[in-house]
Amino acid sequence: AQSVTQPDIHITVSEGASLELRCNYSYGATPYLFWYVQSPGQGLQLLLKYFSGDTLVQGIKGFEAEFKRSQSSFNLRKPSVHWSDAAEYFCAAGNSGGYQKVTFGIGTKLQVIP
Amino acid sequence: EAQVTQNPRYLITVTGKKLTVTCSQNMNHEYMSWYRQDPGLGLRQIYYSMNVEVTDKGDVPEGYKVSRKEKRNFPLILESPSPNQTSLYFCASRVSGGPTYEQYFGPGTRLTVT
Repeated sequence: AQSVTQPDIHITVSEGASLELRCNYSYGATPYLFWYVQSPGQGLQLLLKYFSGDTLVQGIKGFEAEFKRSQSSFNLRKPSVHWSDAAEYFCAAGNSGGYQKVTFGIGTKLQVIP
Repeated sequence: EAQVTQNPRYLITVTGKKLTVTCSQNMNHEYMSWYRQDPGLGLRQIYYSMNVEVTDKGDVPEGYKVSRKEKRNFPLILESPSPNQTSLYFCASRVSGGPTYEQYFGPGTRLTVT
């Protein structure tokens, strides 16, 4: 079955520190991969996506993610975290066939401390 | 402004009292979807619609109904709500043609069923 795993439910980092949020997927073929951010009380906003080409993708708000086929991973990174990055982050994967279902991970809640 | 709107944003109701959560998008998107978000479970798809009069079940359709009579609207209907439907609900839309296209999410509807 297709699945997306975010092993860290909650992460705390200091402002200015680097960040890496983990995401692993289980799909039959190379899926389309996404990271979304959900700020408190808001809907989800797309940070970045990968579906082919360069395995390092750049997104909005200074985020990037790297697709590693051998590890079935799509980890999200940011070199220097700002207090405004405190939010919940969702990794998602979709396939190209059928009705193009997208499966979401359970989310990682990021806390940023001064 | 391109957006997905949901109403109401907050709703407290009692078991068995029929309710409808509206969703409307102004981007002329073919594809629309409903998700519910629960702690520790991430987002799970309830129903989706590929276009007008075309709807199908997602992962957790039990207890819900939808209709798609107009392209812009995709209401979610709970005929007889139960406490296990207490959740945060999101409507989303995108162009059709594959999951590589960005999904736009509404702000969410927090439903409490007592």
